[in-house]
Amino acid sequence: DSGVTQTPKHLITATGQRVTLRCSPRSGDLSVYWYQQSLDQGLQFLIQYYNGEERAKGNILERFSAQQFPDLHSELNLSSLELGDSALYFCASSPRTGNNEQFFGPGTRLTVL
Amino acid sequence: GENVEQHPSTLSVQEGDSAVIKCTYSDSASNYFPWYKQELGKRPQLIIDIRSNVGEKKDQRIAVTLNKTAKHFSLHITETQPEDSAVYFCAASKRDYKLSFGAGTTVTVRA
Repeated sequence: DSGVTQTPKHLITATGQRVTLRCSPRSGDLSVYWYQQSLDQGLQFLIQYYNGEERAKGNILERFSAQQFPDLHSELNLSSLELGDSALYFCASSPRTGNNEQFFGPGTRLTVL
Repeated sequence: GENVEQHPSTLSVQEGDSAVIKCTYSDSASNYFPWYKQELGKRPQLIIDIRSNVGEKKDQRIAVTLNKTAKHFSLHITETQPEDSAVYFCAASKRDYKLSFGAGTTVTVRA
């Protein structure tokens, strides 16, 4: 167990819908990263937050957004869902920017029907 | 951006033999190279990492080597066991800390 928690574990929804994925980092970790893992694209970095502020962006679609709250948990919002958004979504946390070690949560499996 | 290539995509070894996975990276500014192990349906788990100021690091049966000049790094697993069967990912990052992953290597250890 990495200490990073994610909810829900599974999510099944329909095209066009909106969902919210939640992540709680390890105690004391200030950075949260979101990754998408699909069969054809592998593990792709989406976005990073550090202590409530956006720090880096990757290949995140405009339909996706995220935020990190004062208690350091983070939410990833996915809207206007398409079939191709079906994937495993992982968050990872690290102690502070400057320490690269990232520990992954168990992931949320999103299925868009 | 950073491009990480990983080979081979699949690897089958006899129990007790060694396994080697190789990765190359494109950005010379990358300075941190972790390896993750992922079992089916589970989270990637950090198994070993190396920083650019070190050429080799070992932890029991696993070791990682880094050649900064050639921009490649490798994972070595010795005395493989059935529980080593999994998908292994290499990754690289620099000061922006986001990880760029290789495509993964599916390792199967035959009993």
